[in-house]
Amino acid sequence: DVKVTQSSRYLVKRTGEKVFLECVQDMDHENMFWYRQDPGLGLRLIYFSYDVKMKEKGDIPEGYSVSREKKERFSLILESASTNQTSMYLCASARRFSNQPQHFGDGTRLSIL
Amino acid sequence: TQLLEQSPQFLSIQEGENLTVYCNSSSVFSSLQWYRQEPGEGPVLLVTVVTGGEVKKLKRLTFQFGDARKDSSLHITAAQPGDTGLYLCAGARNSGYALNFGKGTSLLVTP
Repeated sequence: DVKVTQSSRYLVKRTGEKVFLECVQDMDHENMFWYRQDPGLGLRLIYFSYDVKMKEKGDIPEGYSVSREKKERFSLILESASTNQTSMYLCASARRFSNQPQHFGDGTRLSIL
Repeated sequence: TQLLEQSPQFLSIQEGENLTVYCNSSSVFSSLQWYRQEPGEGPVLLVTVVTGGEVKKLKRLTFQFGDARKDSSLHITAAQPGDTGLYLCAGARNSGYALNFGKGTSLLVTP
């Protein structure tokens, strides 16, 4: 079974802090994704990566950056956390093409105080 | 812009009832996926439909892809409390790697 592991289930940070969310997958998938999930807004794509060191902006990239130095690891960075970034963050991985199923981690519930 | 509209947004029914969830778009998708998400967990893929008019069954769940590949439905027969969760549809475009997700239908099945 594919396993996507997110480093933290719950995280509390303060405004202005730099926050790192880590995601690791064990199935050699080419594509990795970061979403945030908010009530009434659904899943919104922040960034995705289709290869090592490659990244594409999603629908809401402002205030975020990403890093993919190794194929199995995809990091989401909040450069200077703000309260409106309080949310559930979900990481996913998939084989190369968009019709391939995405495999999700269990999410990180991030609170910015 | 929300490419995929799901309805209803919320659904609360009793065990044994039937229900249908809809996923509609004005865009054509090369395939459409349905996921279920339970509280505290990430979404899990239920099915992928690829061909216009395709019908797939997964036990009491029946999925249909519209003939024009712009819409899909999920029908649950004799719902059970274990069906409770958030149902998400997601469409794949011919180009690119990302999926377009609907906002989801939150289903509660009470005994």
